[in-house]
Parts: sequence; C-alpha cells; structure tokens
Amino acid sequence: DAMVIQNPRYQVTQFGKPVTLSCSQTLNHNVMYWYQQKSSQAPKLLFHYYDKDFNNEADTPDNFQSRRPNTSFCFLDIRSPGLGDAAMYLCATSRVGQANEKLFFGSGTQLSVL
Amino acid sequence: AQSVTQLGSHVSVSEGALVLLRCNYSSSVPPYLFWYVQYPNQGLQLLLKYTTGATLVKGINGFEAEFKKSETSFHLTKPSAHMSDAAEYFCAVSDRDDKIIFGKGTRLHILP
Repeated sequence: DAMVIQNPRYQVTQFGKPVTLSCSQTLNHNVMYWYQQKSSQAPKLLFHYYDKDFNNEADTPDNFQSRRPNTSFCFLDIRSPGLGDAAMYLCATSRVGQANEKLFFGSGTQLSVL
Repeated sequence: AQSVTQLGSHVSVSEGALVLLRCNYSSSVPPYLFWYVQYPNQGLQLLLKYTTGATLVKGINGFEAEFKKSETSFHLTKPSAHMSDAAEYFCAVSDRDDKIIFGKGTRLHILP
C-alpha cells in the first residue's frame, strides 16, 4: 500500500509557466521533505516542514515555494520554471524528524521543462 | 558540514558474486549512516542504518554494512548478488542536525 503518494508521475511544463507538484501521506508523520534529484546527482534537500514550521535550505532558489495545508498534504510550487529545474522531485516523510530516523519516500515526479 | 563520497557511479558484478559498494563520509561528530536503494520508477527505500552500538549492521535483502570509524567508511556488501539487486544505491549521512545528506549514488548492474 502506497504510504507517500506523489502526483503526477510525470509533469511537463513550459519555460516560465508556474507548476505545482503534490505529495500526500497516510502515515500521519510530522515531517515532510522535498528533495530535488537531477540525473547522476545526489538528492538535494530543498526544504522541509516540521508540522507547520517551514524550514528552507539556504541555497534553495526563491523560485521554489512550498505549502502544507494539513498533516497529509504538501505542495511544491515552482513559480517560473527554468530549463535547469528539470529534475525528479522526491517527497519524503519521517515521524518526528530526528536525524537517526528512516525516511519514507514517494515514487517521485519527473518534471520536464520545454 | 557532513558529506558523503560514493566511489564508482556504476558497478557491475556477476550473479552470485560478492557485491561491494563503497561509501566514505565526513562528519565533525559521530554520524548516523544510512544506505538507501532506489529501484526503477520507485522512491528510495531504507536498506539499513547505523546509529550507535554494533558496527556491523544487517539490513533487508541480505545486505549488510560495517561502520569503520578509523577509515570513515560505511561500505555495503552482499555475499551473493541476485538479478533483483539491480538498482541505484545511495549512501547518506546525518550529523544529528535533522538533515540527511545523500551521496551521488552507485548504479549496480548484475550480469547473468
């Protein structure tokens, strides 16, 4: 049973056209993360929510925003996608956000920018 | 700041042979160490983790890893490779600030 669900699996957008990626979880975990994974590179943490508290990584571009309206859902908004934003976007959760905890990942959304 | 280096972006082994995927880390404090696996079209799954205690950690699917502080290594091994082990493997480190830093990954190919 899927526990972290990302939709859609593939997303195509145009250069400069806002796009939203979604993530939902059935685990009731406190923490939700968004990672960006480019080909042959490590997944890179963009930001995470601990409950409603938003934590942005220092090097995450302003073009990337996130919303978490409730425990179950989290959205990644890319305001003006550039060609360099084409990547796999991974959503993950953890129960309480402790550093030794297991992360539960969704299957990812592959974003293409035309 | 912590970092992870995975040696070899691609590793090929024959079915039934030993699997060895290398990972070295850098951390200013005793680290937490992880191996995750990513099968095609799927998210990452935890294989095993080291937090404290026994330095030899056993995970799922017959994999294990040994934490060697003197070598700052956490290499992943499996005695006998199966075709189903073909996937991408990520080593990760956390130095207790609630962030996990991933390596670039090693794609494991299994030869029949």
